[in-house]
Amino acid sequence: QSALTQPRSVSGSPGQSVTISCTGTSPDVGGYNYVSWYQHPPGKAPKLIIYDVNTRPPGVPDRFSGSKSGNTASLTISGLQAEDEADYYCCSYAGSYTWVFGGGTKLTVL
Amino acid sequence: QVVESGGGLVQPGGSLRLSCSVSGFTFTNYAMHWVRQAPGKGLEYVSSISSDGGDTYYADSVKGRFTISRDNSKNTLYLQMSSLRREDTALYYCVKCHAPARLPPPGYGMDVWGQGTTVTVSS
Repeated sequence: QSALTQPRSVSGSPGQSVTISCTGTSPDVGGYNYVSWYQHPPGKAPKLIIYDVNTRPPGVPDRFSGSKSGNTASLTISGLQAEDEADYYCCSYAGSYTWVFGGGTKLTVL
Repeated sequence: QVVESGGGLVQPGGSLRLSCSVSGFTFTNYAMHWVRQAPGKGLEYVSSISSDGGDTYYADSVKGRFTISRDNSKNTLYLQMSSLRREDTALYYCVKCHAPARLPPPGYGMDVWGQGTTVTVSS
């Protein structure tokens, strides 16, 4: 149950797009289409923004999108806004009713 | 919403029980998770429980030391922690599965998170 690998940080200017990668292994990311993404602003509770690789819960802007290829999932945020600045975590089902998270990526909006 | 409580300072080898009081949704319809975040670290899956409490699951790092349970009559989730180690120091979140099901659904994500309760293991 090793953590999924995410870049420590990414940055972009308002209006730009950024992509955050999440690399796992065949027993987790590569084995299931059950990757979710969470936005975690400092001092607040995490928020579900993508589930099942590319599905947005109601209320999440379509600027947020997800994808997966092999053992790597990705979160793309287009039209960056200042309010998007937060930590972002991926999470994958890892079998036997257990899950594994990524180490987190700090998004800075320049 | 979910509201965690019970955190505090405990010595290595000690025990602590966390509670999570739930409101705003039908608790008995949903499996639940505990997720933690150590200081300066990322999120870490800890444990899950089925909606009826009959099935429980644990990360390898806590297996044999932590016990998850729930009291559906009180809309409350628990995490009994024993043989605590310094590396268990973290903010512990109570989390609801996004989709209703008896067993924790592999998909759909985790959609309701509390503010967390802090556990510090130190002498």
